[in-house]
Amino acid sequence: QKEVEQDPGPLSVPEGAIVSLNCTYSNSAFQYFMWYRQYSRKGPELLMYTYSSGNKEDGRFTAQVDKSSKYISLFIRDSQPSDSATYLCAMGTYNNNDMRFGAGTRLTVKP
Amino acid sequence: NAGVTQTPKFQVLKTGQSMTLQCAQDMNHEYMSWYRQDPGMGLRLIHYSVGAGITDQGEVPNGYNVSRSTTEDFPLRLLSAAPSQTSVYFCASSSPAGWGTDTQYFGPGTRLTVL
Repeated sequence: QKEVEQDPGPLSVPEGAIVSLNCTYSNSAFQYFMWYRQYSRKGPELLMYTYSSGNKEDGRFTAQVDKSSKYISLFIRDSQPSDSATYLCAMGTYNNNDMRFGAGTRLTVKP
Repeated sequence: NAGVTQTPKFQVLKTGQSMTLQCAQDMNHEYMSWYRQDPGMGLRLIHYSVGAGITDQGEVPNGYNVSRSTTEDFPLRLLSAAPSQTSVYFCASSSPAGWGTDTQYFGPGTRLTVL
């Protein structure tokens, strides 16, 4: 079993829809949780960063962490075609050296 | 400020050949790392460095060497290329080597094919 599981999709939604992206994990020591966005043939860029459990909001993006269920989510409100990308979840215990990434979910937002 | 740069963008090697993937950053970051990205596997850490002269192994280090003689550069060497090393390689940097506000900046990647 992988330490981090992420549904690869692909996920296709109409413009304006609410998108829900999820990851599950098995290592209860993880305490830092990140979401990265990766456009085709580009490097990942950090979208959201959360420490421990709870919610964090940044514009149209909301990250949720439920440590009791070992489940994290990223919600995108009012999705735009420019949100079309692969979204990677990542998590770690202490620093960048022990980060584990999900395989990524490919999202397409249709105009 | 160019951020993180990687060369080459594409490379095709034959089994057994060696090569060096270049990575440079102009942000004076202490921490640099190399990842490989394979379909269905996510990003996996190969090697990392917390400063000039200091390197350590990540999750999948076999078949790769690194060195860090300057803060700016962190080359990745493939000693004897194997088809299993066909992948997209990303270099990243951040400062300092921890969490909090430490955003990792990724380079654009090198697509390597080993025949």
